[in-house]
Amino acid sequence: DVKVTQSSRYLVKRTGEKVFLECVQDMDHENMFWYRQDPGLGLRLIYFSYDVKMKEKGDIPEGYSVSREKKERFSLILESASTNQTSMYLCASRGGGNYGYTFGSGTRLTVV
Amino acid sequence: AQSVTQLGSHVSVSEGALVLLRCNYSSSVPPYLFWYVQYPNQGLQLLLKYTSAATLVKGINGFEAEFKKSETSFHLTKPSAHMSDAAEYFCAVSEDFNKFYFGSGTKLNVKP
Repeated sequence: DVKVTQSSRYLVKRTGEKVFLECVQDMDHENMFWYRQDPGLGLRLIYFSYDVKMKEKGDIPEGYSVSREKKERFSLILESASTNQTSMYLCASRGGGNYGYTFGSGTRLTVV
Repeated sequence: AQSVTQLGSHVSVSEGALVLLRCNYSSSVPPYLFWYVQYPNQGLQLLLKYTSAATLVKGINGFEAEFKKSETSFHLTKPSAHMSDAAEYFCAVSEDFNKFYFGSGTKLNVKP
């Protein structure tokens, strides 16, 4: 089974801090994605990556950046955390063919 | 542009009753359609997917969904609800198997 591992389940950070959310997948997938999940809004795409060192903006990239230095790892960076970035963050990966995403378990981030 | 509408943010059924979760989509091209399930404090798991083969798609845990192009719908059903089906369900659409667009989710409550 493909595993997508997010390094933290729960995280509490202060306003203004730089925050790193890490995601690792173990199946050599080219495509990786970061979503945030908020009640009543579903999942919204922040950034995605088709390959190492490549990144594309999703629908809500403001306030975020990403890094993909190795194929298996895709990091989401909050340059200066704000309270409106309190949310559940979900990482996903996808290989070729007509398969859907495989999701990690999520990181629930609280910014105080 | 693609969008997904899930009618009903909360659905409550009795154990043994029919489950019907509604999903309507808009897409400029024939879409790929998915249903995901999320249990508390977990990531999303794929329930089933439509990829332009049979219009009636069977998934895991006894769920199925029917693609109706004329109605732009992909409703999820299960003949007999079980307590373990209580979760949040997300419908998703994609035109290219890369970017997915998710609905806002429907929380299913199963009463004993």
